[in-house]
Amino acid sequence: KQEVTQIPAALSVPEGENLVLNCSFTDSAIYNLQWFRQDPGKGLTSLLLIQSSQREQTSGRLNASLDKSSGRSTLYIAASQPGDSATYLCAVRPTGANSKLTFGKGITLSVRP
Amino acid sequence: NAGVTQTPKFRILKIGQSMTLQCTQDMNHNYMYWYRQDPGMGLKLIYYSVGAGITDKGEVPNGYNVSRSTTEDFPLRLELAAPSQTSVYFCASTQRTGGLKAFFGQGTRLTVV
Repeated sequence: KQEVTQIPAALSVPEGENLVLNCSFTDSAIYNLQWFRQDPGKGLTSLLLIQSSQREQTSGRLNASLDKSSGRSTLYIAASQPGDSATYLCAVRPTGANSKLTFGKGITLSVRP
Repeated sequence: NAGVTQTPKFRILKIGQSMTLQCTQDMNHNYMYWYRQDPGMGLKLIYYSVGAGITDKGEVPNGYNVSRSTTEDFPLRLELAAPSQTSVYFCASTQRTGGLKAFFGQGTRLTVV
């Protein structure tokens, strides 16, 4: 059974810092991995989607990498801002028909002004 | 393009009452999902559907029912509400082909008292 782990559960950093959020998964047979952002009381917004054949994806100040063989993905946030404060979740979609996402519990990020 | 729309946004139920959480998507996605999110527990899959007329259980289906009569709609039914069903419910959809990117609704916050 696929398990997705995100450690630590919470992180507090000063504004301007570059930071890395980690995601690990137990089964490397994945179709893709997706990073989401969730603001308090809101839904999930997709940030980046990495296919199993890709090594990384970039969007603005965000960069996500994928190392399937080691079961790891990282979300890099450059020059963090208070507006980046949110919970970041990673989700893995396994290979196979009708495959379903398995989520980590998320990392709650607080960027201090 | 509205994406995934959930109604209602909030609801308070008494124990034993029933209700239907509505979910509709306008992206012609084949796959649709219902998740619940509890504090510190991540997202758990309740039910999913790979197309109209086809549904299947997820990780935590007890106490819920679904139907999928059209591609657009995937309602979630609670028949006899229990306090353990107090949670935030998210509906999501994915295209069957391509990158399989997941799109989420804004959630329904349900309290059972």
